[in-house]
Amino acid sequence: DVQLVESGGGLVKPGGSLRLSCATSGFLFDTYTMTWVRQAPGKGLEWVASINGGGSDIFYADSVRGRFTISRDNAEDSMYLQMQTLRVEDTAIYYCANDPYNNGWFHSWGQGVRVTVSS
Amino acid sequence: QSALTQPASVSGSPGQSITISCTGTSSDIGGYDYVSWYQHHPGKAPKLIIYEVSDRPSGVSTRFSGSKSGNTASLTISGLQDEDEADYYCSSYINSNTLYVVFGGGTKLTVL
Repeated sequence: DVQLVESGGGLVKPGGSLRLSCATSGFLFDTYTMTWVRQAPGKGLEWVASINGGGSDIFYADSVRGRFTISRDNAEDSMYLQMQTLRVEDTAIYYCANDPYNNGWFHSWGQGVRVTVSS
Repeated sequence: QSALTQPASVSGSPGQSITISCTGTSSDIGGYDYVSWYQHHPGKAPKLIIYEVSDRPSGVSTRFSGSKSGNTASLTISGLQDEDEADYYCSSYINSNTLYVVFGGGTKLTVL
């Protein structure tokens, strides 16, 4: 079975940092583009960042570019999101998802991890 | 980076059919057949129900169907059931050096 499990969320003050992890199993991780998607309270889904299988192609939403860094460790079948200079508006549930054909659609999703940015 | 445009809400009675529209531009929906749709029940992981405009993943009911015309994609749910009540999001690959995907704002489906 395909599994994606996020971890690393929590409460952080504005300006702080947090590192999210997405541990995966059940598929050929290094052939899939991986993505972070978030949902702020009362809002819709927002694409955050994506990284291709080899880690050479990386994309960010305008709202996080320069503050967030996506990365992956294919030896560990894991993906990460380093979040810095966090803002109140980054408060959301963060989901990781896999993209089997690198075409921007997401087949499997994790259950999500909550990030709260508040003073 | 503008979100794709979806109606905020739609509703229908059990057994009826509803259609949710999703409007973008020639840089996203109009330019590629990489439109997808997701069903999201609160507190759960989003679920892929349509990919590449009209294909269904294994295990997704045939009551869900997708289509596209120009810059607008559509999701149709036929034979509405109570468990279809959820939020629905469209998404598209986007042609950009820096962006990858854009989502719609989401549509709340209420089964009356």
